[in-house]
Amino acid sequence: NAGVTQTPKFRILKIGQSMTLQCTQDMNHNYMYWYRQDPGMGLKLIYYSVGAGITDKGEVPNGYNVSRSTTEDFPLRLELAAPSQTSVYFCASSMTSGRGQYFGPGTRLTVL
Amino acid sequence: TQLLEQSPQFLSIQEGENLTVYCNSSSVFSSLQWYRQEPGEGPVLLVTVVTGGEVKKLKRLTFQFGDARKDSSLHITAAQPGDTGLYLCAVVSNFGNEKLTFGTGTRLTIIP
Repeated sequence: NAGVTQTPKFRILKIGQSMTLQCTQDMNHNYMYWYRQDPGMGLKLIYYSVGAGITDKGEVPNGYNVSRSTTEDFPLRLELAAPSQTSVYFCASSMTSGRGQYFGPGTRLTVL
Repeated sequence: TQLLEQSPQFLSIQEGENLTVYCNSSSVFSSLQWYRQEPGEGPVLLVTVVTGGEVKKLKRLTFQFGDARKDSSLHITAAQPGDTGLYLCAVVSNFGNEKLTFGTGTRLTIIP
């Protein structure tokens, strides 16, 4: 099992550009999550999904969109990138959240 | 207000020493998880505690969930350089949703 994979590992965007962060898991987990982690801070939940076709907002959803067309994939879309979106983005999955989440290696995004 | 307060924020000790870090809140939780995050990587689940007063051991790491399920501690015996990392606690609320909330973490450095 590869676990949770994320692409790209690094990306630099200009203000106003758009991009999609990819996340795939091969553990057949129902739950998937997107977090951002700013320097010196914990993780903040952006969006999550409890299964294919179902998504919901987390703590900091503004400026982002997600979709969940399959169990395996949970892409995060940034529209009109802003410097405030400079962060490290982590995707995670779990069978249920109470049993712990498995994280990908992260995508480091810089918006200039 | 921060749901989960972790202390200390930073801790630097010599190899071989013992240490304890804390995760506190005024809210009651159904379960609590501890993660360790190394630089450039995603968090890795260490343990989940679910019962008030529960103690779990993972080699030199001892985790305790408070009797009232509002707080937790992580004790490391004879710390080693491999223990260096960011230690994060996370909770699932009692409100029936499946979202995790993370604390801001304790950054631990073990000096050889």
